[in-house]
Amino acid sequence: EVQLVESGGGLVQPGGSLRLSCAASGFTFSSFEMNWVRQAPGKGLEWVSYISSSGSSIYYADSVKGRFTNSRDNAKNSLYLQVNSLRAEDTAVYYCARAQMATIHYWGQGTLVTVSS
Amino acid sequence: QSALTQPASVSGSPGQSITISCTGTSSDVGSYNFVSWYQQHPGKGPKLMIYEVSKRPSGVSNRFSGSKSGNTASLTISGLQAEDEAEYYCCSYAGSDTWYVFGTGTEVTVL
Repeated sequence: EVQLVESGGGLVQPGGSLRLSCAASGFTFSSFEMNWVRQAPGKGLEWVSYISSSGSSIYYADSVKGRFTNSRDNAKNSLYLQVNSLRAEDTAVYYCARAQMATIHYWGQGTLVTVSS
Repeated sequence: QSALTQPASVSGSPGQSITISCTGTSSDVGSYNFVSWYQQHPGKGPKLMIYEVSKRPSGVSNRFSGSKSGNTASLTISGLQAEDEAEYYCCSYAGSDTWYVFGTGTEVTVL
């Protein structure tokens, strides 16, 4: 069974940083592209970042470019999102999601990031 | 990249069929057959219901079906059941820079 478990969210002040993690199990992690998708409270889904299976290709939404860093450790079956210079509008549930052939097939349960003073 | 446009809400009685539209542009829905649909219950992560416009993952009821015409994709739920009450999002691949664009979401209510 595919499992994606996010962690690392919490309350942070504007301008602060967090490192989100996603522990993957139930599949060969190193074979799959991964994404981060977020959902602000009561709002829709927004793609944040893509990383290829090897980690050699990474893309970001314009809204987070230069502030967020996506990475993975295939030996540890883990995906990470370093989020810096946080703003109120970054408040959201952040989902780790597995993709294949230009489709996101599996999602985690998410971790909540709240940016507030 | 703007969000794909979906109706805010759709409702139907048990046993009826409903259709949710998802309108994009020639840069996303109109260019790729990588349109997917997700069901999301409150407090839960999304669940894939349809991928590549009309394919159903294993375990998803055949009451769910998808189609596309031009820049608009559609999700049809037939034989509506109480458990279908949820938020539904469409999603389209949008090229290897923007990657994914999601719809605005549709709340499905079973009357």
